[in-house]
Amino acid sequence: GAVVSQHPSWVICKSGTSVKIECRSLDFQATTMFWYRQFPKQSLMLMATSNEGSKATYEQGVEKDKFLINHASLTLSTLTVTSAHPEDSSFYICSAHPGLNTEAFFGQGTRLTVV
Amino acid sequence: RKEVEQDPGPFNVPEGATVAFNCTYSNSASQSFFWYRQDCRKEPKLLMSVYSSGNEDGRFTAQLNRASQYISLLIRDSKLSDSATYLCVVKGRRSGAGSYQLTFGKGTKLSVIP
Repeated sequence: GAVVSQHPSWVICKSGTSVKIECRSLDFQATTMFWYRQFPKQSLMLMATSNEGSKATYEQGVEKDKFLINHASLTLSTLTVTSAHPEDSSFYICSAHPGLNTEAFFGQGTRLTVV
Repeated sequence: RKEVEQDPGPFNVPEGATVAFNCTYSNSASQSFFWYRQDCRKEPKLLMSVYSSGNEDGRFTAQLNRASQYISLLIRDSKLSDSATYLCVVKGRRSGAGSYQLTFGKGTKLSVIP
């Protein structure tokens, strides 16, 4: 199947710093990628839709100035958590679809801990 | 009503048991349906797509009832390795936009015990 690679798989950072997470589609081009967040014992919640060459679409309640998304190429989307705080600690996962009617492939996820 | 609603679980079953998970969705215009499996602290992985005609993959059977907006997953002869959280996932068009999105259920945790 298609491969989506996410990096880093885990990160610990100090409160107030910024963290960048990368999501790459390795064997297909993705004009759209999706960023999710999952808190313990909760479902995946869509944060934003990353669109290649244009602005991301954010879900209600997600601060676009805090969660910066850049989709500069057809194989790479980045999520930057700016001025991270302990409440931002979560599991962040990206996904992409090789085609409109295909399944979603997920990155390995990034476990962010802000101390 | 939640967009995608699943049995709350957890389900604790002995090896060899048959277990069924249910899921309902609220958007009648939803296009595609899936069951994903998520192991603890890992990313979700596709278990199977769900079709109106029903589909089977080994010990797993998935069914979709569009009229009732209901999806099910049946696992026969449970194995210890089946222990995971099972996510019901619905794909459809975003309202007022041209793109599509996945909506996840909260997941049902299954523990298969020896």
